[in-house]
Amino acid sequence: ETGVTQSPTHLIKTRGQQVTLRCSSQSGHNTVSWYQQALGQGPQFIFQYYREEENGRGNFPPRFSGLQFPNYSSELNVNALELDDSALYLCASSSVLDTQYFGPGTRLTVL
Amino acid sequence: GESVGLHLPTLSVQEGDNSIINCAYSNSASDYFIWYKQESGKGPQFIIDIRSNMDKRQGQRVTVLLNKTVKHLSLQIAATQPGDSAVYFCAENKGEAQKLVFGQGTRLTINP
Repeated sequence: ETGVTQSPTHLIKTRGQQVTLRCSSQSGHNTVSWYQQALGQGPQFIFQYYREEENGRGNFPPRFSGLQFPNYSSELNVNALELDDSALYLCASSSVLDTQYFGPGTRLTVL
Repeated sequence: GESVGLHLPTLSVQEGDNSIINCAYSNSASDYFIWYKQESGKGPQFIIDIRSNMDKRQGQRVTVLLNKTVKHLSLQIAATQPGDSAVYFCAENKGEAQKLVFGQGTRLTINP
């Protein structure tokens, strides 16, 4: 186990709703990255947070947003949910420029 | 464009045999590469990494080889066990912002 935790484990939402996913980083790590993994695909980088600021973003629209807190935990917010947002959302924590360790993920289903 | 691809989507090997999983990448400026193992219903688990200034790195039962000339890396698993059954991803670290670019994955199945 990596020490990275995510909540909730599963979530079901309807199209147009908003969702917040949470991640607690491994002790000693100050960087959190979020990834979206569609079924049968590799994870896709959404964004990364370092020292409470966004530190890089992938090809995701602005309705995907995030926060990092002083204790380095993080939230991923998705507004105006679409059916294609159904996926496993993974967070990974690391020290800056070091290996990323993943949590178990949150399975989001949008109906 | 950037991409990290895998040659084979599935691989079946006999228990006790060695497994080799291959990966091709397209960005010659990459910093380093990581192999992850993902079991069903779990997040990716770090296996081993290798920096671009290295050709080979060994871990416990695993070896990663990097061939920068042909932009290829491989993961070798010695004496495969049933617990090695999983999807294996190679990922390219983009350095700045530590953006990981993953391939589609190879499903490794161990036959008894």
